[in-house]
Amino acid sequence: DIQMTQSPSSLSASVGDRVTITCQASQDISNYLNWYQQKPGKAPRLLIYDASNLETGVPSRFSGSGSGTHFTFTISSLQPEDIATYYCQQYHNLLFTFGPGTKVDFK
Amino acid sequence: QITLQESGPTLVKPTQTLTLTCTFSGFSLSTSGEGVAWIRQPPGKAPECLGLIYWDDDKTYSPSLKNRLTITKGTSKDQVVLTMTSMDPVDTATYFCAHRRGWPGRSFDYWGQGALVTVSS
Repeated sequence: DIQMTQSPSSLSASVGDRVTITCQASQDISNYLNWYQQKPGKAPRLLIYDASNLETGVPSRFSGSGSGTHFTFTISSLQPEDIATYYCQQYHNLLFTFGPGTKVDFK
Repeated sequence: QITLQESGPTLVKPTQTLTLTCTFSGFSLSTSGEGVAWIRQPPGKAPECLGLIYWDDDKTYSPSLKNRLTITKGTSKDQVVLTMTSMDPVDTATYFCAHRRGWPGRSFDYWGQGALVTVSS
């Protein structure tokens, strides 16, 4: 099974800060990596697909990069509505596996 | 516009079987490339993909749970059913169904609101 790790597990930042989250896969998954945002009591929301493609309707301050085993998710300028938990998800094999998540809150 | 909605019991007893139904609209599970996933999320933990069913009736299950899971198309063409046997308190979670998009980028682009299932005697 492919295992996903994320770092950090949580972070505190201020409005306007640049926020970066990393996700690592236990084996090469090419670019088969998605990023989701989840707010309390809500379902996850797809932000980035195929490692670097912005989902329709998602603000351009969100971006993703990487391939193989190492991936990065960035919020270029943190906004109040971005407070949430972020998950990476791989689909290299037929089953989709989520990372453990990164909780982002305000400093 | 794609929508999905989970329905089923909110409380099940240990050892019982859980049956949840996902009712969807805005796409057809008969169309090539379409799929529906079941995902669960224990309180305070990450989501876990339980399995998927595809337009051609092919299925994929979590290796750790496959002996307890069955995903089928419902009697209505706009429904998918999840069955999980031998429920235990550790199975307490919010259960989601989601639309699996095939292109561009295999992902879960639409989700139901989730159904909280508590396992307790």
